[in-house]
Amino acid sequence: GENVEQHPSTLSVQEGDSAVIKCTYSDSASNYFPWYKQELGKGPQLIIDIRSNVGEKKDQRIAVTLNKTAKHFSLHITETQPEDSAVYFCAATPNAGKSTFGDGTTLTVKP
Amino acid sequence: GAVVSQHPSRVICKSGTSVKIECRSLDFQATTMFWYRQFPKQSLMLMATSNEGSKATYEQGVEKDKFLINHASLTLSTLTVTSAHPEDSSFYICSARTFGDINYGYTFGSGTRLTVV
Repeated sequence: GENVEQHPSTLSVQEGDSAVIKCTYSDSASNYFPWYKQELGKGPQLIIDIRSNVGEKKDQRIAVTLNKTAKHFSLHITETQPEDSAVYFCAATPNAGKSTFGDGTTLTVKP
Repeated sequence: GAVVSQHPSRVICKSGTSVKIECRSLDFQATTMFWYRQFPKQSLMLMATSNEGSKATYEQGVEKDKFLINHASLTLSTLTVTSAHPEDSSFYICSARTFGDINYGYTFGSGTRLTVV
């Protein structure tokens, strides 16, 4: 089955700096890669996703890059703000299959 | 956008009793819903896949007789924790995938904090 590794497990940055979270996956059949943000006591929320036919996608301060050859994808948050502090999960999904989630990254943005 | 409503958000029950958690897709049809369990500071652990009109598919190690799942309509799935014990205390989250779109990101409910005393 699919195996997703996510790094780092914790990340602390100063407000205004950039944050990068990386994930690797093992199943070459995976072709859909969403990222979720989970605030304390709440369910995860989809913040951005990318499909295998695209190498990069951007939405305001958030971007995701995908390297299918190397089987890794990354989340980039620029100009971080304290409200970006949360746990972020990556996931890899094969066609019509179940998503496999990474273990999460706790991001802390210090004001 | 797609909204999944999960109730209750928090429940405390006594050992030996059963608790039902509801997961509703409010503005879309969900042929498939997923139930997760999450321990503090850990990732989402998939418990089962709930399929409308058919039996749920449970992940290895999850007791189907303890965690009863019913998906009777395209907008509602329920998880019943039967004969709950303190070790069942956890954060339970459901998610749904929009009908006909296999690659759409899952929409998650807000989660249910279950405490068994």
